[in-house]
Amino acid sequence: AQSVTQLGSHVSVSEGALVLLRCNYSSSVPPYLFWYVQYPNQGLQLLLKYTSAATLVKGINGFEAEFKKSETSFHLTKPSAHMSDAAEYFCAVSGGGWNAGGTSYGKLTFGQGTILTVHP
Amino acid sequence: DAEITQSPRHKITETGRQVTLACHQTWNHNNMFWYRQDLGHGLRLIHYSYGVQDTNKGEVSDGYSVSRSNTEDLPLTLESAASSQTSVYFCASPRRGSGYTFGSGTRLTVV
Repeated sequence: AQSVTQLGSHVSVSEGALVLLRCNYSSSVPPYLFWYVQYPNQGLQLLLKYTSAATLVKGINGFEAEFKKSETSFHLTKPSAHMSDAAEYFCAVSGGGWNAGGTSYGKLTFGQGTILTVHP
Repeated sequence: DAEITQSPRHKITETGRQVTLACHQTWNHNNMFWYRQDLGHGLRLIHYSYGVQDTNKGEVSDGYSVSRSNTEDLPLTLESAASSQTSVYFCASPRRGSGYTFGSGTRLTVV
């Protein structure tokens, strides 16, 4: 079983401020973890992923996330927010590894999303 | 890169009608997934497939069905559309090393 909790459905920051979006997960197997971004009326774009390599993961657009097993967390950060970062962000967990008989990731479970607002 | 195409992009249908949403991928990915996105719920898994002739129910499968007759396609059928199925539907397929690729979505309105 796996689940994701995103703390805060809305986060508001000023342009240039630190962005911190919180994600905690639960997984019965070593997890693969993902952050996706969704701009209005668009699909989902992968920001970054953790797949059991380095615990600090760097993604696109200056975002990064740190996998902390002891805290079951995978928080997303960006040192300085831009107006263009305003979007909805989703954390997601997969059971990891190869599903039985398959050759890629298994089911992906999403958090409820966090809407990021950036003020000038 | 692998591409996933969904059609139609927008669909309006009447309550009780059968509706099929298409999902097509250009690579031979075994795993394909259907999600629905609703405000306050994030994305929830409807059905998924790990290969031809394999289909599985997700957490919100009632009223939906899928079939997998080839590797490229996983159509999602709403047997008798209900207003509660008004949503945005996304198809996805993962690839090792690249994560999951999502289609552009289908916005379905049931009136």
